Amino acid sequence: DAKTTQPPSMDCAEGRAANLPCNHSTISGNEYVYWYRQIHSQGPQYIIHGLKNNETNEMASLIITEDRKSSTLILPHATLRDTAVYYCIVRVGPGTASKLTFGTGTRLQVTL
Amino acid sequence: DAGITQSPRYKITETGRQVTLMCHQTWSHSYMFWYRQDLGHGLRLIYYSAAADITDKGEVPDGYVVSRSKTENFPLTLESATRSQTSVYFCATAAGRRETQYFGPGTRLLVL
Repeated sequence: DAKTTQPPSMDCAEGRAANLPCNHSTISGNEYVYWYRQIHSQGPQYIIHGLKNNETNEMASLIITEDRKSSTLILPHATLRDTAVYYCIVRVGPGTASKLTFGTGTRLQVTL
Repeated sequence: DAGITQSPRYKITETGRQVTLMCHQTWSHSYMFWYRQDLGHGLRLIYYSAAADITDKGEVPDGYVVSRSKTENFPLTLESATRSQTSVYFCATAAGRRETQYFGPGTRLLVL
């Protein structure tokens, strides 16, 4: 399984873009990068995922470097409700149950 | 659309008692998963199921039993609860083996 490395914490001012980095230097060619977040006391919430192209949805954008060894999750206009722990996950490859391996994540604090 | 529901949301029990945590989904997703979340360990997979009557072990299955007689339900039973099973338990579903997993709100279990 490819491991991921994220900074333990980040701060962001409300209304500004939050850019959360993730390193996954041992990612395999068929593994996707997934992002989830967990707001205090709630279940993990799916945000976005991608293989090699940049992706955007109503919640966020995902930028994956060309060599796929790192990625950045972008919340374009962070709000107080985006305060959460954000997990960057690389999916286990074919032939398994595709369990999600959550690391320690990045604790994002959005402030006024 | 309820999606995934878990019950009970909170449970206190005593060592040695049998406890069953329920997970119900309305999406007809074929895959269902049980994770536990503990400080310092992140989320760990307990059991998963690919379809009705098909279950398999995850990382930490000891002390737990699962069944899946219907697609929409995936109960997790602690046959003889121990203090080390105090945790937050999350159920998740996915439409397919490599599809996005969606999580329920969790059950907080305290074993005294």
